Amino acid sequence: GAVVSQHPSWVICKSGTSVKIECRSLDFQATTMFWYRQFPKQSLMLMATSNEGSKATYEQGVEKDKFLINHASLTLSTLTVTSAHPEDSSFYICSAYRGNEKLFFGSGTQLSVL
Amino acid sequence: GENVEQHPSTLSVQEGDSAVIKCTYSDSASNYFPWYKQELGKRPQLIIDIRSNVGEKKDQRIAVTLNKTAKHFSLHITETQPEDSAVYFCAASQGGNNDMRFGAGTRLTVKP
Repeated sequence: GAVVSQHPSWVICKSGTSVKIECRSLDFQATTMFWYRQFPKQSLMLMATSNEGSKATYEQGVEKDKFLINHASLTLSTLTVTSAHPEDSSFYICSAYRGNEKLFFGSGTQLSVL
Repeated sequence: GENVEQHPSTLSVQEGDSAVIKCTYSDSASNYFPWYKQELGKRPQLIIDIRSNVGEKKDQRIAVTLNKTAKHFSLHITETQPEDSAVYFCAASQGGNNDMRFGAGTRLTVKP
């Protein structure tokens, strides 16, 4: 099956620093990737849609200058949480669209901002 | 935009019983409805999906039904086992690489 790799799996950082999360499709090309945020015991909230070679489309209420998304190749999308604050602590997860409606998820990144 | 509602939020059943989770959606243009299972601390995994041209689909102990007129779809798990315990999410999209909207999730607990 299709594999999506997400790194790091967890990160602890100080308030004010930036954190980059990578999402890679290992065995298929993904023209579209999605980034979600998930709070404990809650659903997956779509943050943005990342299309290779173009600007990401952000959902309402998501600050694009805060959550920088880059999709420079067909196998890699990155999410950078800039100037992180404790309220940004959350589980971030990506998914990659393989085609035929199939979405495959990364393993997620638990971000803790001190 | 699409809005997906899912019920119940928690469901507890005895091993061997059936479990049913229901979802409704708002956008009549949605035509693809997957179900994902997420075990604690792990990534969501697709367990079954259905397209709008089909009313029912079954895969061993799991089945999904779709009522396009009423805009609701359901997940049925028969002969539940403790390993079925997880959070289940329904989702809806217009297909292709259009963004998918998720329900709030159902935490299923199967008691041995």
